[in-house]
Amino acid sequence: EAQVTQNPRYLITVTGKKLTVTCSQNMNHEYMSWYRQDPGLGLRQIYYSMNVEVTDKGDVPEGYKVSRKEKRNFPLILESPSPNQTSLYFCASSLGVSSYNEQFFGPGTRLTVL
Amino acid sequence: QKEVEQNSGPLSVPEGAIASLNCTYSDRVSQSFFWYRQYSGKSPELIMSIYSNGDKEDGRFTAQLNKASQYVSLLIRDSQPSDSATYLCAVNNGNNRLAFGKGNQVVVIP
Repeated sequence: EAQVTQNPRYLITVTGKKLTVTCSQNMNHEYMSWYRQDPGLGLRQIYYSMNVEVTDKGDVPEGYKVSRKEKRNFPLILESPSPNQTSLYFCASSLGVSSYNEQFFGPGTRLTVL
Repeated sequence: QKEVEQNSGPLSVPEGAIASLNCTYSDRVSQSFFWYRQYSGKSPELIMSIYSNGDKEDGRFTAQLNKASQYVSLLIRDSQPSDSATYLCAVNNGNNRLAFGKGNQVVVIP
């Protein structure tokens, strides 16, 4: 089944404890992206990657890191999480960088930072 | 001005009626437009995409695009309780990113 997977789905952590949220897609997509969704603010892009070893900042990159060492994986790293990073996170992928490509979303990761 | 605006509050429609959602965007060079449906606690799923002016129909859904006026709309005909969800408008202006509106909640009343 073609899909985007994220792990963990739920995470409660404490301020300053490094964490990684994994994202993997099995559709051979070039483009991958991370979003966060907050009430009243909608979906905002954190980082995106157009291909292996090519990443760029989105609208709200502060406090996050990403890497794209393999085409299928695009982990999101929070080096020192803070409570304002409590949010619902979505990974998404699409076939290419063309604006006409549909983005497929993972199931989401609900992160709580205490 | 926000990139993508969906200004309406929650929309309540009786079952079987038409739900109408509107979205405006600020960047005139925007190329592609999408409507995503998101059930509470779930991820967005694409229901419609539209790239050229006019109407595009897919089952009970119709997307309408007017580039001159910079708006895109979504009509849901014969609304069903399963259509109760938040609908997100997304716009791609060709710079490798999608900009999303905040969404409109639709509640279909049986």
